[in-house]
Order: sequence, then structure tokens, then C-alpha cells
Amino acid sequence: KQEVTQIPAALSVPEGENLVLNCSFTDSAIYNLQWFRQDPGKGLTSLLLIQSSQREQTSGRLNASLDKSSGRSTLYIAASQPGDSATYLCAVHLGSNYKLTFGKGTLLTVNP
Amino acid sequence: NAGVTQTPKFQVLKTGQSMTLQCAQDMNHNSMYWYRQDPGMGLRLIYYSASEGTTDKGEVPNGYNVSRLNKREFSLRLESAAPSQTSVYFCASSQGSSGNTIYFGEGSWLTVV
Repeated sequence: KQEVTQIPAALSVPEGENLVLNCSFTDSAIYNLQWFRQDPGKGLTSLLLIQSSQREQTSGRLNASLDKSSGRSTLYIAASQPGDSATYLCAVHLGSNYKLTFGKGTLLTVNP
Repeated sequence: NAGVTQTPKFQVLKTGQSMTLQCAQDMNHNSMYWYRQDPGMGLRLIYYSASEGTTDKGEVPNGYNVSRLNKREFSLRLESAAPSQTSVYFCASSQGSSGNTIYFGEGSWLTVV
């Protein structure tokens, strides 16, 4: 059974700091991995989608990497801003069905 | 851009009552999903519909039924609500089954007393 773990569960940083969020998964035979952002009381917004054949994806100040062999992904946020405060979730897709397995998320607070 | 729209946003039910959560997407997506999100449990898939006319069970289907009314709409029904079904429910859609970005609705907060 695929398990997805996100560490840390919560992170507080000062504005302007570069930071890394971690995601690990137990079954390396994934089809893709997605990073999402969830604001309080809102739905999830997809940030980056990395296919199993890719090593990284970038969007603006966000960079996500994928190392299938070690079962790890990182989300790098450059020059953090208070508006980045949210819960960040990663999810993996095994590809054999339609089921995404989610981690429990990292609650990020960026302090002005 | 509406994306994925869910109704209602908030609902309080008494144990044993029934209700239907409605979901519609305007992105012409083939696949639609219902998830529930609970503290400490993360997001779990209840049911999904790979394409119009098909539905399949996810991880936690007990106590729920779904209907893929057409390509746009996918409803979730609680026939006899239980306190254990108190949760936040999210509808989502994607173009295909995998390899595609998944888009979520804003959520429906359901409390069963």
C-alpha cells in the first residue's frame, strides 16, 4: 500500500527566506506526483505536476524535484512571501487506477 | 472561469437524513472524483467516474452513492447520514485518469448531528 509522508507537519519562516518542503512515498513505481496548495476553507490548487520520467518542474518561484529511486520529492519555494502561507500537499499517482494518494500536508506560515 | 462548482457549501444534517452533494465542471473533463478530507486522515477518495456513464468505488465508498448525470455533473448521495460522515467533501475533475492535472472544487462542509 502506497504511503505518502510529508515532513515537517508545520513550518514557520520569515519573509524572504528560501525553503524546502519534503514528501516521501513508499512505492517508487509511481506514474506522477503533484504538489497542491490549500488555503484555509478552500479547495486544493494544483501547483506542479511531475511525470515519472521527469526530474523536476518549475513554475515561477516554485521548483519541484522528483527522485523515484529514493521515493522522495521536494518543493522549493524561493524568496517566500506572506501570501505563500498555506498548507502544501503532495500526492502520488500509481497509474494503474484513478486513485491519488495524498500526504497529510505541511502548514507553512511566512511571517512579515 | 467557474472550474469545478460544488453545492451546498455548508450543510447540517440529523442522523438518518439523506442528502445529495452536487458537482459540476465546465472544463469538458472526462474524469470526476469525490474526496473527503478529515483531520489527521488527509484526503481519501470516495468514488470516481473515469468517463461519462461509468462510476467506481474508491478507498472509502461505504455509506455513499454517486451518479454521473452527464459529462459535466457528478453527484454524491448520502442515503442515511451518520456522524462518521461529518467531513469536508471535495469534488474534482481531470481530463483523463492519470498524467493530467486534477482540479478541485471549493469544498462542502457537512456536519451530521
